[in-house]
Amino acid sequence: NAGVTQTPKFQVLKTGQSMTLQCAQDMNHEYMSWYRQDPGMGLRLIHYSVGAGITDQGEVPNGYNVSRSTTEDFPLRLLSAAPSQTSVYFCASSYGGAPGNTIYFGEGSWLTVV
Amino acid sequence: KQEVTQIPAALSVPEGENLVLNCSFTDSAIYNLQWFRQDPGKGLTSLLLIQSSQREQTSGRLNASLDKSSGRSTLYIAASQPGDSATYLCAVKVPGGDDKIIFGKGTRLHILP
Repeated sequence: NAGVTQTPKFQVLKTGQSMTLQCAQDMNHEYMSWYRQDPGMGLRLIHYSVGAGITDQGEVPNGYNVSRSTTEDFPLRLLSAAPSQTSVYFCASSYGGAPGNTIYFGEGSWLTVV
Repeated sequence: KQEVTQIPAALSVPEGENLVLNCSFTDSAIYNLQWFRQDPGKGLTSLLLIQSSQREQTSGRLNASLDKSSGRSTLYIAASQPGDSATYLCAVKVPGGDDKIIFGKGTRLHILP
C-alpha cells in the first residue's frame, strides 16, 4: 500500500520556468490537498479538491494551478516559478468530510527556484 | 478566523522524563484535532486524532487530551526516548464541508540522551 506518493522529491528551477509536482494516492480518498511549508510560517494550504473534477483555492493559491481529472491524481503546476516559491510542498489526502477521518501526507517535494 | 498556536516553539528535555506539548486554538467549532510528528526531511505522520466529542486518545506512550471549551489540547509523552526527537504539529479540522485543516507551527522536541 503506497499511500500518498509525490514526485519529484527534489527540484531546482530557474525563475520563469514552469513545472508540475505530481501527487497520487491509492486509498480511494475523495479529498486531496496541497500545502507548502516554510520556516516560521507553518503549513499553508495552496489548493484542495473534494472530488474528481472539483478544485478550490486555499490560503496561498497565487502562482499555482491544479486539476483533478481522476480520484487518484492531483498535480500541482507552477506556472512561472519565482524565488518566493522556494519551499517544501506536501500533498495530502483523506476520506470525504466525516469528522473522524485521518489525513495522510506524502513525503514532500523540496523545490528551489533560483 | 481559526488560528492554532503551539508554545514553546522548541523544547529540550533529558531522556526518561515525561513531557507535555501544548496546542491552543481560537475557535471551539472544530470537527477534530490531530497531532502529527514530522522528522527532518520527511512528511507528516499522524499520531492521534481526537474527535470533537472526545476528551482524549491514547496510543502507547502518547496521550492527547482535548478541551474544546477552552480551546486547548495537550500531547503527553511518557518516558521520553531519543527516538521521540522530532517536530510535533497539531491541526484542527474546521466545519464547512471542504475538509480544511489549520495547522500550528509546531514544537521542535529534542530528547537529550
